[in-house]
Amino acid sequence: GDSVVQTEGQVLPSEGDSLIVNCSYETTQYPSLFWYVQYPGEGPQLHLKAMKANDKGRNKGFEAMYRKETTSFHLEKDSVQESDSAVYFCALRFGSARQLTFGSGTQLTVLP
Amino acid sequence: DAGITQSPRHKVTETGTPVTLRCHQTENHRYMYWYRQDPGHGLRLIHYSYGVKDTDKGEVSDGYSVSRSKTEDFLLTLESATSSQTSVYFCAISVRQPEGSEQYFGPGTRLTVT
Repeated sequence: GDSVVQTEGQVLPSEGDSLIVNCSYETTQYPSLFWYVQYPGEGPQLHLKAMKANDKGRNKGFEAMYRKETTSFHLEKDSVQESDSAVYFCALRFGSARQLTFGSGTQLTVLP
Repeated sequence: DAGITQSPRHKVTETGTPVTLRCHQTENHRYMYWYRQDPGHGLRLIHYSYGVKDTDKGEVSDGYSVSRSKTEDFLLTLESATSSQTSVYFCAISVRQPEGSEQYFGPGTRLTVT
């Protein structure tokens, strides 16, 4: 079946550091890919998306490239800020019912 | 704001009791979803609906049922709650966009089964 793997459960960069949060996926379909962000006590919010291979999603300085050859959609940022601290989920979507399959999430805590 | 509300926001119940969670949307979107969120598992799909009276199972549907008698309301029922159903439950809607549909989530319901 389809799956999304996020290898880091938690990352602890310092403010100003660069960031890569890994996301790999497995599917026999041609999915759309998403990153969602979740703040404490809230529901997940769509952060960025890529609809097809070689698309790049961008939002608030974050980027993710849809790489079909490596089945990856890593989240990157050049310089993180404390306000970026949150849980980030990678997800894929396929099929007519548009349901999402999520990774286990990565807690990003940016240290001052 | 995607116009999604969930009720109740918090609930504590005892093992073996029935529980119903409600999701309400204000914009008449066709697709609605129920997910549960647990540490280490991300969000997992329980059931979804693609129209009034049209529903289907997701990845973790055992012990749950759903109903959708109106476009705006999607109910999740735990017929006989168990401690393993302690979780945070999120409702979502799918919104069609020019580049493809996007899902938007409600604020969640924290359910504790004692």
